[in-house]
Amino acid sequence: GAVVSQHPSWVICKSGTSVKIECRSLDFQATTMFWYRQFPKQSLMLMATSNEGSKATYEQGVEKDKFLINHASLTLSTLTVTSAHPEDSSFYICSARDIGEGVYGYTFGSGTRLTVV
Amino acid sequence: GQNIDQPTEMTATEGAIVQINCTYQTSGFNGLFWYQQHAGEAPTFLSYNVLDGLEEKGRFSSFLSRSKGYSYLLLKELQMKDSASYLCAVKLTGGGNKLTFGTGTQLKVEL
Repeated sequence: GAVVSQHPSWVICKSGTSVKIECRSLDFQATTMFWYRQFPKQSLMLMATSNEGSKATYEQGVEKDKFLINHASLTLSTLTVTSAHPEDSSFYICSARDIGEGVYGYTFGSGTRLTVV
Repeated sequence: GQNIDQPTEMTATEGAIVQINCTYQTSGFNGLFWYQQHAGEAPTFLSYNVLDGLEEKGRFSSFLSRSKGYSYLLLKELQMKDSASYLCAVKLTGGGNKLTFGTGTQLKVEL
């Protein structure tokens, strides 16, 4: 089946620095990828939808200048958390849509645990 | 806004049956998914409903009533490994086929 690789699985960074998270579709082309954030014991909150070759669409309340999303190819999307602060500490998960799988084509990455100290 | 509600926590006994409910009020509807998520891991797909009725898949079944904005996930013959978070997600019409997730239900299976 479809596989989405997400790296790193965990990262610790200092407050004020930037962190980049990568999401790759390994065996299919993903024209659309989704980025979610999940706080402990809470559900997934959609942050943005990225489409290959165009600007990402951000959900209401998500700062696009803080969470930079790039989807430069059909197999790679990146999320960069800029000037990270402790409140950005969370579990970030990407999801890629495999059109070939029809309605079932939502594959999730394994997530990135970000801790800002 | 979109509202997708689930009970926060449920506890059940190994070997029993448990029903996890999901109610939704969304601007548009194009299908409902159920996912299982263990702590610190990615969600894994369990079921999908777009028409009213019951979809059965082994120990897991899911039901949908679009007129009532209601779905449930039924887990039979519970096993300890079923202890996890269960998320319902609605696929909205338009908007790039994005999924909006419910509040999630933490299920604990006990001996």
